[in-house]
Amino acid sequence: QLQLQESGSGLVKPSQTLSLTCAVSGGSISSGGYSWSWIRQPPGKGLEWIGYIYHSGSTYYNPSLKSRVTISVDRSKNQFSLKLSSVTAADTAVYYCARVIRRDGYKVFDYWGQGTLVTVSS
Amino acid sequence: SYVLTQPPSVSVAPGQTARITCGGNNIGSKSVHWYQQKPGQAPVLVVYDDSDRPSGIPERFSGSNSGNTATLTISRVEAGDEADYYCQVWDSPHVVFGGGTKLTVL
Repeated sequence: QLQLQESGSGLVKPSQTLSLTCAVSGGSISSGGYSWSWIRQPPGKGLEWIGYIYHSGSTYYNPSLKSRVTISVDRSKNQFSLKLSSVTAADTAVYYCARVIRRDGYKVFDYWGQGTLVTVSS
Repeated sequence: SYVLTQPPSVSVAPGQTARITCGGNNIGSKSVHWYQQKPGQAPVLVVYDDSDRPSGIPERFSGSNSGNTATLTISRVEAGDEADYYCQVWDSPHVVFGGGTKLTVL
C-alpha cells in the first residue's frame, strides 16, 4: 500500500521560504506512469493545485504561484519537495502531497498524504 | 484559465439520492474526477474519468458528464456520506479544482 507523508516547518515568517518534503513508501517515486504533486487548502476553503513533477524532472505549476514555487525530486531518498518563496499570510494552509496517475487526456490524484498545516506568521 | 463551478451546498435526506453538479465550458469533452473530503481528513478519490470507481468505493457513487455539466450521484445516501465534494479536471498542462460542495445529510 502506497503511503505519502509530509514533513517540514509548521510555522514560517512572512517573506521567508516555506519548505516541505513528501516521503513516499510502499512504492518507487521513479515508477513510470505517475507524477507527484502538491495541493493546498487554506483554512475553511477549497483545494488549490500548486504543481506537479514528472519522474523525468519536468515540472508544471499553477500560473498564480509559478513565480514563487519550486518542486523537486530526490530519487535516492524516494521523496519530493516543495519550496514556496516570499510567503504571506495568504499562504497559510494545509499542504497535501499526492500521487498523480497520468493517462492520455487526464490526470487524477489517487493517493494523498495526510496533510500538514503551515502557518505564516511573525 | 478554465473554471469549474459547483453549488456551495446540497442537502438530502437519508436513503434519498444526492446529485452534485460541476459546471464548465464544454466539460463533456474532458475527464472529470470527484473527491470526497471529511473534516480533518485528506480528500479521497470516489469517481474518476467521469464514471469509474476506484476499488473500495461503493456502487452507490456514480458519475456522468455531458455538455457543460458533470454530475456526481450518490444513491441511498447515508449519514457517513456527509462531506465536502470536489470535482477536478486536467486543462493541459494544469489541474483545476471546483470550489467544492458541502453535502448535508438531514
